[in-house]
Amino acid sequence: KAGVTQTPRYLIKTRGQQVTLSCSPISGHRSVSWYQQTPGQGLQFLFEYFSETQRNKGNFPGRFSGRQFSNSRSEMNVSTLELGDSALYLCASSGGRHEQFFGPGTRLTVL
Amino acid sequence: AQSVTQLGSHVSVSEGALVLLRCNYSSSVPPYLFWYVQYPNQGLQLLLKYLSGSTLVKGINGFEAEFNKSQTSFHLRKPSVHISDTAEYFCAVSAPALNSGGSNYKLTFGKGTLLTVNP
Repeated sequence: KAGVTQTPRYLIKTRGQQVTLSCSPISGHRSVSWYQQTPGQGLQFLFEYFSETQRNKGNFPGRFSGRQFSNSRSEMNVSTLELGDSALYLCASSGGRHEQFFGPGTRLTVL
Repeated sequence: AQSVTQLGSHVSVSEGALVLLRCNYSSSVPPYLFWYVQYPNQGLQLLLKYLSGSTLVKGINGFEAEFNKSQTSFHLRKPSVHISDTAEYFCAVSAPALNSGGSNYKLTFGKGTLLTVNP
C-alpha cells in the first residue's frame, strides 16, 4: 500500500496570505489527523477528521480549518498567515483506534 | 486528560553504547503507548507500540520498550546504537478524547528527545 502523501512539501508565503495543504491517507483509512510541529512547541494536535466529520479539535485559533472529502483525502487551510505559523505540518492517517501513520509533512515558511 | 513527559531533550552517546530514552505518562484509563522516530526532514515513523499483553515490546531497528504500570513509564532502549540511529524520538499516549464518551481516541506526544550517536 502507498503511504500517506502530503502536498506540497515546501511552501513560502507572506504574512496575511492564506494557504491550503493537502493530505492523501493510506487507502482504506478513514481517519486523518493534522499536527503542527515547531522547535518551541513540539508536536501539537490541530484536528482530526473521520468520515468527513471533524471528530477532535486542538487549541488553535479559528484561522486554522480543515475538511475531509468522501475519498478520505483531507485539506487544511490557514488564513491570514502570521510569522508564528511557520512550521512543519504533519498529516497522519489511521485505520483503527490507535496507530497513526504519518506523511512526510509540509514545511511552511511565512515571511 | 493524558500527558507525556520525556526526560532529557538531548541525549548524546557513542556508537555501540546502550541508550535509554525515558518516558512517563499520565492517563485516566489504561493507555496505549507508542514510540515514534523522526529523521531529519521526514515525518514520524512508528518504532513500537504497547496495546496490551506482554509488557516488553520489541520494535524495529533493534529497539525495545517496557511498559511499567506502577511507575507509569514506557522507557525505550537499544543495547547497541548505530550512527544511523541519530534522530528525534517521540513518546506518545493514546487515550479517549474528552467528551467523546470513550468513542474516539486522541494521540498526545511528548516534547521529544534528540538522540545523537557519535562515532
